Amino acid sequence: SSELTQDPAVSVALGQTVRITCQGDSLRSYYASWYQQKPGQAPVLVIYGKNNRPSGIPDRFSGSSSGNTASLTITGAQAEDEADYYCNSRDSSGNHLGVFGGGTKLTVL
Amino acid sequence: QVQLVQSGAEVKKPGSSVKVSCKASGGTFSSYAISWVRQAPGQGLEWMGRIIPILGIANYAQKFQGRVTITADKSTSTAYMELSSLRSEDTAVYYCARDLERYDYLGYYYYYMDVWGKGTTVTVSS
Repeated sequence: SSELTQDPAVSVALGQTVRITCQGDSLRSYYASWYQQKPGQAPVLVIYGKNNRPSGIPDRFSGSSSGNTASLTITGAQAEDEADYYCNSRDSSGNHLGVFGGGTKLTVL
Repeated sequence: QVQLVQSGAEVKKPGSSVKVSCKASGGTFSSYAISWVRQAPGQGLEWMGRIIPILGIANYAQKFQGRVTITADKSTSTAYMELSSLRSEDTAVYYCARDLERYDYLGYYYYYMDVWGKGTTVTVSS
């Protein structure tokens, strides 16, 4: 079982705002990173650290964290944002092991 | 710009082993870690382990302890992931990714995987 918990599926109307959440005890100590994956493609980093976007990631993607919950927010969702989203962080062992959430399938209506 | 190039698809028999390579180009290979992540068909991402090439130290997810070995060859900027005692459930796409660790201005630790290989399909079938 995953130490990071995500809702399996979320939907959003085109142009609206959606928040995808990730819960886990280790998030009290570590920031999460977020990955977008489209069918047949490798994951792409979209958010890391407190709220950092790699070059080329649109500014409609943002991240936040509170307590044991990390969130990825897409403000003004576009059709091309339809994808699976995964959070990732270190686990709670203290041994620098990684762990992914189960993933959230985002549908843009 | 760092790029990670993985070896080609593999078909293996149950009980055998597979070794997947991940060659880095650009950047300084020893200045970052390499993580391995797999994805079974229709399933989510699963972190397997990582190696810090400059130290040669690897850490493994508990699920794969004893079955996976991650190594790195600094001379060729190549990381390897070997999985043994293969079973059908190991059929998956295996990815390598550059693993960077940072501390922010408040001292909070975070890490992220910013460059990914295209993946290597491993099929385990009799």
